[in-house]
Amino acid sequence: AQSVTQLDSHVSVSEGTPVLLRCNYSSSYSPSLFWYVQHPNKGLQLLLKYTSAATLVKGINGFEAEFKKSETSFHLTKPSAHMSDAAEYFCVVRHPFSGNTPLVFGKGTRLSVIA
Amino acid sequence: GAVVSQHPSRVICKSGTSVKIECRSLDFQATTMFWYRQFPKQSLMLMATSNEGSKATYEQGVEKDKFLINHASLTLSTLTVTSAHPEDSSFYICSARVRTSNLNYSGANVLTFGAGSRLTVL
Repeated sequence: AQSVTQLDSHVSVSEGTPVLLRCNYSSSYSPSLFWYVQHPNKGLQLLLKYTSAATLVKGINGFEAEFKKSETSFHLTKPSAHMSDAAEYFCVVRHPFSGNTPLVFGKGTRLSVIA
Repeated sequence: GAVVSQHPSRVICKSGTSVKIECRSLDFQATTMFWYRQFPKQSLMLMATSNEGSKATYEQGVEKDKFLINHASLTLSTLTVTSAHPEDSSFYICSARVRTSNLNYSGANVLTFGAGSRLTVL
């Protein structure tokens, strides 16, 4: 079975400083991994995904994540935070061979950006 | 890109009434849709998987008679919360699986999410 652990429930950074949102996964296979962002009262938006291609994945809005199999991690980073980045971020895993398998969500990390 | 429209975005109802939430795939066909529920400050929990033309598959602990799911066409799935109670107040989100041929994404299929429906039961 797959599981996802987001190590921080809340991260607060100053505008212009780097962002690091941590995620560890557990899976019997090499999974597909995703990061989604949810802004207040809005739906989920896909930031980026890893599907066994390049281990460093670049997403939208300057975010990227690196898949590290040895550490079973898929941390999300951004060099410089912007006020608009304040949102809830979810790390997500899915079995790679089952297209209809639903996603397994982490508990989420709320990112606050301080001016 | 693929768009999933969810309606209504907000609904307030009295205890004991039923509420229907619609989830539509606007520019693609969705053979499978998923319904999630999100409690305040918590992650999304899968409620059920909705397959077009067949009965939905519910997750353990989700009452199928309480949360009726209908997926009558390839572009529409509905969730009806029957005899709603205050504890049913939550944020409900649907998602639909988009085939990669429909998008510029490469690799695995992705899920597109609706904007969610906030249900408040008084």
